[in-house]
Amino acid sequence: ETGVTQTPRHLVMGMTNKKSLKCEQHLGHNAMYWYKQSAKKPLELMFVYSLEERVENNSVPSRFSPECPNSSHLFLHLHTLQPEDSALYLCASSQLQHWDRGYSNYGYTFGSGTRLTVV
Amino acid sequence: QQQVKQSPQSLIVQKGGISIINCAYENTAFDYFPWYQQFPGKGPALLIAIRPDVSEKKEGRFTISFNKSAKQFSLHIMDSQPGDSATYFCAATYGNQFYFGTGTSLTVIP
Repeated sequence: ETGVTQTPRHLVMGMTNKKSLKCEQHLGHNAMYWYKQSAKKPLELMFVYSLEERVENNSVPSRFSPECPNSSHLFLHLHTLQPEDSALYLCASSQLQHWDRGYSNYGYTFGSGTRLTVV
Repeated sequence: QQQVKQSPQSLIVQKGGISIINCAYENTAFDYFPWYQQFPGKGPALLIAIRPDVSEKKEGRFTISFNKSAKQFSLHIMDSQPGDSATYFCAATYGNQFYFGTGTSLTVIP
């Protein structure tokens, strides 16, 4: 396996279900991300795990919770979702480079995404 | 406030024609401007990128033109092919801050 792998590719869940999305990166990168992609909207950054720190977008509802057990694996746990949460969820990784002003991100490698439908 | 504005939302081009997608930004701190290409059922993939110290970068049929004073940059696809039909996203970054445009759906008609 190479690159960034996401499972499952498609998921249909009811509003009372609990499910998890899985992401694995085989690139040796030091940062992993969850993005939400909705039609006609910019990619929305949900969570970042980099250099053992977690950064989250404060606008993401608590019904989404990430988990990053190590630098290669990332999960997104879902519970009591709403129909408006239906979207493509993309995992990405990157190699942050340190320089005197902090860290720079010069590009993501994205997975193929999980198409989530909440019914 | 949207940090990067992209246009047009959709574009239809004849095979062999030139496809042009435009982006504009406000934050002069941005120091890296990538373009991503996304095919249906796939995640975005890095296509080409430019830094603000150059005005143009070319890779094959793909060229980025960068106008620092106007805070605009554009993607030109020369000799567009049906296989180029995809959604294209511009982005602008500084540090670990990454901002994407809303995407342009390109259709190249045979």
